[in-house]
Amino acid sequence: AQSVTQPDIHITVSEGASLELRCNYSYGATPYLFWYVQSPGQGLQLLLKYFSGDTLVQGIKGFEAEFKRSQSSFNLRKPSVHWSDAAEYFCAVGINYGGSQGNLIFGKGTKLSVKP
Amino acid sequence: KAGVTQTPRYLIKTRGQQVTLSCSPISGHRSVSWYQQTPGQGLQFLFEYFSETQRNKGNFPGRFSGRQFSNSRSEMNVSTLELGDSALYLCASSFQIPGTSGGPRDTQYFGPGTRLTVL
Repeated sequence: AQSVTQPDIHITVSEGASLELRCNYSYGATPYLFWYVQSPGQGLQLLLKYFSGDTLVQGIKGFEAEFKRSQSSFNLRKPSVHWSDAAEYFCAVGINYGGSQGNLIFGKGTKLSVKP
Repeated sequence: KAGVTQTPRYLIKTRGQQVTLSCSPISGHRSVSWYQQTPGQGLQFLFEYFSETQRNKGNFPGRFSGRQFSNSRSEMNVSTLELGDSALYLCASSFQIPGTSGGPRDTQYFGPGTRLTVL
């Protein structure tokens, strides 16, 4: 069955430090992969997406993610975290994406706290 | 371009009642999906609509239903509410078109959600 695993429930980093959030997926076909961010009480904002091509994807707010097919991973990175990055981050895989139907399978999320 | 809008933002209902939530997609988007978010189960897919037709449905009981109108606006309805239906209901829209291969236009953009509390 398709699934997305985010191993870290909660991560705390210092402001200015680098960040890596892990995401592993299980899906038989070519995956479409996404990272979304959610601030408290808000909806989901798209950070970046991978459909094909270059495996290093750039997103908004200085985030990037690297797709590694051999490891079934799509980890999110940021070289220097800002206090405003504190939020919950969700990795998702698109199932049967495109054409006839499509829905997203989400990981459980990683909550990021930023220390001053 | 305006984003996905959802109304109302907050709702309080009692067990046994029914509720209707509304979603207006981004202009030009014809595909609308609904998700339920709870602390225990996380984000779960409810259903997806395109051109007034339900194309895909998640594993939820029949109390959960939806529809889409000719202007692509969508509603979801939950009948006979249970305490466990308390959740954030998120709507997402995309430019997805049936019969075409997948690509970046299929990206789903989410609204702010409707927070439903069942007492």
